[in-house]
Amino acid sequence: GESVGLHLPTLSVQEGDNSIINCAYSNSASDYFIWYKQESGKGPQFIIDIRSNMDKRQGQRVTVLLNKTVKHLSLQIAATQPGDSAVYFCAESNDMRFGAGTRLTVKP
Amino acid sequence: DAGITQSPRHKVTETGTPVTLRCHQTENHRYMYWYRQDPGHGLRLIHYSYGVKDTDKGEVSDGYSVSRSKTEDFLLTLESATSSQTSVYFCAISESNRVAEAFFGQGTRLTVV
Repeated sequence: GESVGLHLPTLSVQEGDNSIINCAYSNSASDYFIWYKQESGKGPQFIIDIRSNMDKRQGQRVTVLLNKTVKHLSLQIAATQPGDSAVYFCAESNDMRFGAGTRLTVKP
Repeated sequence: DAGITQSPRHKVTETGTPVTLRCHQTENHRYMYWYRQDPGHGLRLIHYSYGVKDTDKGEVSDGYSVSRSKTEDFLLTLESATSSQTSVYFCAISESNRVAEAFFGQGTRLTVV
């Protein structure tokens, strides 16, 4: 069946640098996407969402980009901080499944 | 945090014993979900509920059953626990059937020895 997946399982960045986490999806009918952050020992928490009629949405230090042509979603974190270290998941509205996630590690 | 409480937070049990995990919500959300999370597999849906006494299977439902007799409670039961069911279990709730809009609990770490 169609599913959401992630390109890279791990990402290591220097504190202060920008981070980009990618996600591919295959269900062209999906109209809503969400990024979750999961810190160690905790449940996933909502970060930011985007609807399919948008290409970009910005939050506080985070930006989500949606490219429907290639069915690609990305999460950009500006000025990455140690507190951003976590596993990041994307999810789509029509799917109850999540990918394995990308583990972001921020080096001081 | 959304009003979701999972209990217990940690449990160690022996193979072959029954185990019940509880998810309690105070948000009056219609949809509730049980996921398990294992290294390399991410979150996998076990069962979900779309109303009182209305439940359906997810992708890894074998060995698990659920019940929802009240809006606020969603129980996950392992009838006869096996070591392969050692995992971290997450409950989630959502107002709509868009699981992508779900709020997650803190998780229950279950170890079957």
